[in-house]
Amino acid sequence: DGGITQSPKYLFRKEGQNVTLSCEQNLNHDAMYWYRQDPGQGLRLIYYSQIVNDFQKGDIAEGYSVSREKKESFPLTVTSAQKNPTAFYLCASSTTPGQGNYGYTFGSGTRLTVV
Amino acid sequence: LAKTTQPISMDSYEGQEVNITCSHNNIATNDYITWYQQFPSQGPRFIIQGYKTKVTNEVASLFIPADRKSSTLSLPRVSLSDTAVYYCLVYNAGNNRKLIWGLGTSLAVNP
Repeated sequence: DGGITQSPKYLFRKEGQNVTLSCEQNLNHDAMYWYRQDPGQGLRLIYYSQIVNDFQKGDIAEGYSVSREKKESFPLTVTSAQKNPTAFYLCASSTTPGQGNYGYTFGSGTRLTVV
Repeated sequence: LAKTTQPISMDSYEGQEVNITCSHNNIATNDYITWYQQFPSQGPRFIIQGYKTKVTNEVASLFIPADRKSSTLSLPRVSLSDTAVYYCLVYNAGNNRKLIWGLGTSLAVNP
């Protein structure tokens, strides 16, 4: 079955450490996204990529970095510069313009806790 | 990007029809309306999308009036498993398809 896989589901990080969240999709989608969700809040866009080897900052990119070396993969690194990294992180992918019905497919999320 | 406004919360009972209305007064000509459902600790799930009039699928119906300044998601005969947060979003069908997420509507279905 096609879908998006995020790993790990739960992640604990010590202050001052960088951590990388994995996101892999086999939907053949060109566009991929990373969102952050805090309790009781909507989703906020961190980074997005519309094509391999290209990505743009979202609304809250500070303290995060991404890469898009392959169409299927869009890993997110939470760096020590991110002041409040404890949150629920969601990865999504979508079709590009002209490719039928448009909709986001989300992964199941990674819950990051700083200890 | 058009901003959306929807009720923070709603209550219903099993077997009832639930209608959640969303306002998007500054929707543009190229904008589409889409709805997502999210359960706790899960990613949102696409429910339905539309441009105008009425769209129906196996899960829900979406009603969009002629002026497109609002839309209504209709869930027929809800069950306890429909308890979730429902997001109304407007996106531009051009090259930049970023979605702006609000707080959504938290629907509680009671027995």
